Formats: sequence, structure tokens, C-alpha cells
Amino acid sequence: DAGVIQSPRHEVTEMGQEVTLRCKPISGHNSLFWYRQTMMRGLELLIYFNNNVPIDDSGMPEDRFSAKMPNASFSTLKIQPSEPRDSAVYFCASSLLGGGNNQPQHFGDGTRLSIL
Amino acid sequence: AQSVSQHNHHVILSEAASLELGCNYSYGGTVNLFWYVQYPGQHLQLLLKYFSGDPLVKGIKGFEAEFIKSKFSFNLRKPSVQWSDTAEYFCAVNVRTGAGANNLFFGTGTRLTVIP
Repeated sequence: DAGVIQSPRHEVTEMGQEVTLRCKPISGHNSLFWYRQTMMRGLELLIYFNNNVPIDDSGMPEDRFSAKMPNASFSTLKIQPSEPRDSAVYFCASSLLGGGNNQPQHFGDGTRLSIL
Repeated sequence: AQSVSQHNHHVILSEAASLELGCNYSYGGTVNLFWYVQYPGQHLQLLLKYFSGDPLVKGIKGFEAEFIKSKFSFNLRKPSVQWSDTAEYFCAVNVRTGAGANNLFFGTGTRLTVIP
């Protein structure tokens, strides 16, 4: 079975450019999560969606970051304009909504983003 | 607010040594508990999970964890580590509600280095 698919795997771009990260969750999963991982701050939840609806975006660092989930099989995380401090690995994860919230999250391979 | 504490940032062990990684959380309600592992350059993978029942949970690759409710702890253990266990280990918690608040709170991670 295909897992969570993220693209691109690596992105290197200059500061000020727009960056779009993409995620395809596991088919049938109805929760999707975006995380950022850095050495300094560890793993941070940025935003998550249930049934394509954003539930909690309190982790989004600032207005330069936006996320959308237009349908159940696709989500984007956009940074505009990008800054060097945005350099990190961005992970997408998906899970099934279940009574008791006991379903584990499945992670993609991540996008390693470098802003020069 | 919920928080997850992992006491050790970096643990170095020789092969065949026993492992215990600490995890404490600060939420008084009913929780679901997870341990994830991240091998170098890879995404997070689920090691084991606890929802209810026997507080001693067995996971993949010989790992186990014990939920001690009175101590708000969910420590990870392995009796004899191998070089291939070198990775970063994350404890995670979510609150067991029916409201779809299925986001995970992650600890900062513990890096395990196993010396052959």
C-alpha cells in the first residue's frame, strides 16, 4: 500500500521566493497533519485538518505560511515569501479519525527545505 | 496545556546494553500514548501505542513500554539494544476525546547512539 506521499523531497531556493510543499495522504485517511522539524525546536505541529477542514492552525508561525486541503487526497503548505529561518524538514502525516482518537499517524518521507 | 517531557536528549549505549527512555506527560485526563522512531534520514515510524488494557505494551523490534498512570509516565524499554537501534525516539500523547481533537503532542525526542 502506498504511504503518505510528499513532494518534492528536497527544495533549495532563494529567500523571497514562494515555496509550495505537497502531500497526498493515505487513501481513506481523513485527518492530515503538517509538521516542521528542526534541530533547535524539534518536531512542531503546524496545522491539521479533519475531513478537509482546518481544525487547529495555532502552530503556523506567521502569515507567510498557509495551508490548504482542497480535497481528501491532497494538501499544500505554502510559504510566501520564504526566509532562511524557514529551512527545515517538513513532514506530512495522516490518520483515520476514530472514536477516542486512538489511531496512529503515518508519516511521509518529508521535504527537506533549504532557503538560501 | 498538555506537554510531553523526554528527560534524556542523547543516550549512548554499547550493544547488548539495556535501554530505558523516560517520557512524562502533563495531562490529567484520559490519554492515548505513542512511541515513534526516526532512523537517520527517514520519517517517523510507529513503534508502539497504548490506548487501554494491559499497561505493559509490546511493540516492534523488541521494544516495550509501560504506562504508569500515577506517575504520568510511559517509559520505553528494550532489554538488549543493537547497533541498528541507533535513531531518534519520540514520545507522543493525545487526549482521548470524541471531539476530533486528534492532534499529537510530541516530546523533544531522545537520540540513541548504539556503539558496536
